[in-house]
Amino acid sequence: DSGVTQTPKHLITATGQRVTLRCSPRSGDLSVYWYQQSLDQGLQFLIQYYNGEERAKGNILERFSAQQFPDLHSELNLSSLELGDSALYFCASSAKNSYEQYFGPGTRLTVT
Amino acid sequence: AQKITQTQPGMFVQEKEAVTLDCTYDTSDPSYGLFWYKQPSSGEMIFLIYQGSYDQQNATEGRYSLNFQKARKSANLVISASQLGDSAMYFCAMREAIFSGAGSYQLTFGKGTKLSVIP
Repeated sequence: DSGVTQTPKHLITATGQRVTLRCSPRSGDLSVYWYQQSLDQGLQFLIQYYNGEERAKGNILERFSAQQFPDLHSELNLSSLELGDSALYFCASSAKNSYEQYFGPGTRLTVT
Repeated sequence: AQKITQTQPGMFVQEKEAVTLDCTYDTSDPSYGLFWYKQPSSGEMIFLIYQGSYDQQNATEGRYSLNFQKARKSANLVISASQLGDSAMYFCAMREAIFSGAGSYQLTFGKGTKLSVIP
């Protein structure tokens, strides 16, 4: 158990809908990262937050957004969902002076 | 251009034998780090080992060691005394800074190697 929690574990929704994925980092970790793992694209970095501020953006679509709250939990919002958004979404966290990222169990999103 | 290359889509190893999973990388950043993660069929990503570009010695964590050859830009994972539970996908990843501020970086992952341990 990495100490990073993600909810829900599974999510099935229809095209055009909007969903919110939630992540709680390890206790004391200030950085949260979101990744998408799909069969065709592999594991891709989406976005990073550090202590509530956006720090880095990767291959994140405009339909996707994220935020980190004062209690350091983070949410990834996916809107106008398409079939191709079906993937495993991971959240990871790291401590202030560490490069090691610890991953949560992931949320498996299925868009039908 | 692909920054992390894992050339072995699948590998087989006999139980109790050692196995090496290959990883080569490409970066112009003098400060970087290499990671290995394990992903069992259940889906979670498990951190195994980390090597910083300035680390003088190869990283080791239990049965895992990272054979870091900086000049060749390779960071191979060596698993000693393979166990059935080692059967999984293994991903090599590289940390690169993408912002001048502290603590801002991303991981770039390779496509992975599927390791199967044979009893």
